[in-house]
Amino acid sequence: AQSVAQPEDQVNVAEGNPLTVKCTYSVSGNPYLFWYVQYPNRGLQFLLKYITGDNLVKGSYGFEAEFNKSQTSFHLKKPSALVSDSALYFCAVRDVWRTTGFQKLVFGTGTRLLVSP
Amino acid sequence: DSGVTQTPKHLITATGQRVTLRCSPRSGDLSVYWYQQSLDQGLQFLIQYYNGEERAKGNILERFSAQQFPDLHSELNLSSLELGDSALYFCASSPNPGAPQGVSREQYFGPGTRLTVT
Repeated sequence: AQSVAQPEDQVNVAEGNPLTVKCTYSVSGNPYLFWYVQYPNRGLQFLLKYITGDNLVKGSYGFEAEFNKSQTSFHLKKPSALVSDSALYFCAVRDVWRTTGFQKLVFGTGTRLLVSP
Repeated sequence: DSGVTQTPKHLITATGQRVTLRCSPRSGDLSVYWYQQSLDQGLQFLIQYYNGEERAKGNILERFSAQQFPDLHSELNLSSLELGDSALYFCASSPNPGAPQGVSREQYFGPGTRLTVT
């Protein structure tokens, strides 16, 4: 079964510093990977996805993610963190039912990002 | 705003009761997914409907059921509620998920319904 792991429950970074939120994956076949963000009292918002192609994927709000096949990682990055980036971040992988071709997302446990002023 | 709406935002009910959560997908999206987010289980896929038909089941309890109506809105029914059912329930929608292999559609999530069972 497809799975992703987020090894850090929380990441703390000062505003203006670069941030990295880690994600590793375990899949059979080609990975289809996603990052979502959840702000307090809000639903999950799609940030970016990796399907194929360039290993550096650019997404919303200045975020980007680096796909590394040899390390089976898909870390989320931002060059300069903002206090407003403080939220819960989820990595996810597509899982496909072989019989139907329909898809679901399998989420990691989430990483809380705290950006201090 | 994702375009996915969910009602109600909050629901407080007692054990043993039954509740219905409602979801309207983005305009044009045929597929609806339900997820449960709890502190101990994280974010888990429950069930998926496509154009009115159930297409996939995840970790959904037998006490829970869902349906998708002709206008594509969906309802998640939770019955014989237990304290452990307290969670945030999300609905998500996406375009045709049975798209050709290699096409992976992201899902768009609603704001969720927070269920508290007392």
